Amino acid sequence: KAGVTQTPRYLIKTRGQQVTLSCSPISGHRSVSWYQQTPGQGLQFLFEYFSETQRNKGNFPGRFSGRQFSNSRSEMNVSTLELGDSALYLCASSPIGGQGAYGYTFGSGTRLTVV
Amino acid sequence: KQEVTQIPAALSVPEGENLVLNCSFTDSAIYNLQWFRQDPGKGLTSLLLIQSSQREQTSGRLNASLDKSSGRSTLYIAASQPGDSATYLCAVRENFGNEKLTFGTGTRLTIIP
Repeated sequence: KAGVTQTPRYLIKTRGQQVTLSCSPISGHRSVSWYQQTPGQGLQFLFEYFSETQRNKGNFPGRFSGRQFSNSRSEMNVSTLELGDSALYLCASSPIGGQGAYGYTFGSGTRLTVV
Repeated sequence: KQEVTQIPAALSVPEGENLVLNCSFTDSAIYNLQWFRQDPGKGLTSLLLIQSSQREQTSGRLNASLDKSSGRSTLYIAASQPGDSATYLCAVRENFGNEKLTFGTGTRLTIIP
């Protein structure tokens, strides 16, 4: 059974550019969440999608956005990149948003470096 | 606002020893708590999930306990091995309908051969 797949694994972008990251959840999982991990702030919640709808959003500026497609694949976009956006971006999926006995399964992440 | 703390930040123990990692949270109204491990530069691997109604969960050499009233969880690792070296993170999900996980700061564990 394939796990959560994130592409690309590494990205280098220039300040001011925009970037799109992709996440394919485990087959059958309908909830996809995104997290940003930095040495200073640790893991912080960005947003969560279920059935193409954003259900929860963390405290990030509007430059961070996302969407989910009908096949549950999700993308997140960061516009007008800043140096502080350099981080490991992690995607997690769950059958029904972590209900009951189901927790979250994380992907390997996309390492974004802004120069 | 939920805050999750893990102490110590780093821990080194000789191979073969049993050890306990601690996680504390400020708001006891949680839905569940999940323990993860993270190897350097990698994603998170789920270890154990404890529902708010449960007291503990076990998987192999790992045992996680939950005391909601005191806002604490522990991860017990028996007979530690060098392959257990990683950063261990706990995360709480606050309530049904809120999918956000609040993570602790992590404990970096080193098992000395």
